[in-house]
Amino acid sequence: TQLLEQSPQFLSIQEGENLTVYCNSSSVFSSLQWYRQEPGEGPVLLVTVVTGGEVKKLKRLTFQFGDARKDSSLHITAAQPGDTGLYLCAGVNAGGTSYGKLTFGQGTILTVHP
Amino acid sequence: DTAVSQTPKYLVTQMGNDKSIKCEQNLGHDTMYWYKQDSKKFLKIMFSYNNKELIINETVPNRFSPKSPDKAHLNLHINSLELGDSAVYFCASNPFPTGELFFGEGSRLTVL
Repeated sequence: TQLLEQSPQFLSIQEGENLTVYCNSSSVFSSLQWYRQEPGEGPVLLVTVVTGGEVKKLKRLTFQFGDARKDSSLHITAAQPGDTGLYLCAGVNAGGTSYGKLTFGQGTILTVHP
Repeated sequence: DTAVSQTPKYLVTQMGNDKSIKCEQNLGHDTMYWYKQDSKKFLKIMFSYNNKELIINETVPNRFSPKSPDKAHLNLHINSLELGDSAVYFCASNPFPTGELFFGEGSRLTVL
């Protein structure tokens, strides 16, 4: 069974601070997706990283895929209250009987105080 | 138009009852899923269907029975509900198994 350890589980910060969320696994994934979920809604995709070492930027959010495609990080610069939500990483299996099965991390609940 | 819609949004019922949740997607995707999100926000896959065929069936009690009448619909029927079934159930779809998941708004099931 593939596991994706996401940390921290909770993050409470002030507006303007920077933060990093980590996703780590001992397994290799073909790609990794990051989702954001707001209360009462389903998760929405932020980005997919595919290549080992890849870095993608989405405004103040920077996503990185580890060289070995076993880990990923999400860095938010100058967090704003609108960034508040649940952040989920999901590793994509691309082979064998687990083809297409996503393994989700436990999630990080981010609260940004004004 | 909502891309992935599921009903009902809220479901409160007694232990032992049977209930169903319906899901429809208008995105033309071939693959649909049921996920369960527990109180700690952990999202776990339950079932996956590709063009009406079951392709992923995780270790889920057989009280849970999915049914896909066509590739745009995936329903979930739960028999003999237990307290531990209380959770938010999400339907999702994607155009191919490794692609972006499009989630519905979730159905919050509370078993009393």
